[in-house]
Amino acid sequence: KQEVTQIPAALSVPEGENLVLNCSFTDSAIYNLQWFRQDPGKGLTSLLLIQSSQREQTSGRLNASLDKSSGRSTLYIAASQPGDSATYLCAVEAGTALIFGKGTTLSVSS
Amino acid sequence: SAVISQKPSRDICQRGTSLTIQCQVDSQVTMMFWYRQQPGQSLTLIATANQGSEATYESGFVIDKFPISRPNLTFSTLTVSNMSPEDSSIYLCSTGGTYTDTQYFGPGTRLTVL
Repeated sequence: KQEVTQIPAALSVPEGENLVLNCSFTDSAIYNLQWFRQDPGKGLTSLLLIQSSQREQTSGRLNASLDKSSGRSTLYIAASQPGDSATYLCAVEAGTALIFGKGTTLSVSS
Repeated sequence: SAVISQKPSRDICQRGTSLTIQCQVDSQVTMMFWYRQQPGQSLTLIATANQGSEATYESGFVIDKFPISRPNLTFSTLTVSNMSPEDSSIYLCSTGGTYTDTQYFGPGTRLTVL
């Protein structure tokens, strides 16, 4: 059974810091890995999707990597801002549905 | 892409009652998904709803507790029946999700059962 783990569960940083969020999964047979952002009352917003054949994806200050063989992904956020404060969810797609981790709650202070 | 709306956005309900959550998509879609997020937990898939067929439920979820309707290609409802405090969660619907495309999520319905 696929399980997704995210470390750390919570993270507080001052504005401007670069940071890394970690995600691991137990079964490497995935179609893709996705990173979402969850804001209270606003549902989930897709940040990056890495297909199983890809190693990384970048969008603005965000860079996500995927090492499928080791079952790991990282989300790198450069020059963090208070607006980045949210819960970040990692999810893998192995069929039609997504299997999520519990998330990392990020707080960026100004 | 898809824009998804949900009603209600939140509700407080009494034990033993039922609540129906509506999900509306701005375009026709084949598959819709319902997820539950219990406090402090990850999102868990409840069921997959295809138009014109019975919903497919994940292990641990049953139709009597979570009946789902899918009357057309843009709309679905999830009913949480005979509620208990353990049903207090955020319920989200989503669609999309081919191997190369992300899933799109509604804003969620925050349910509190007293």
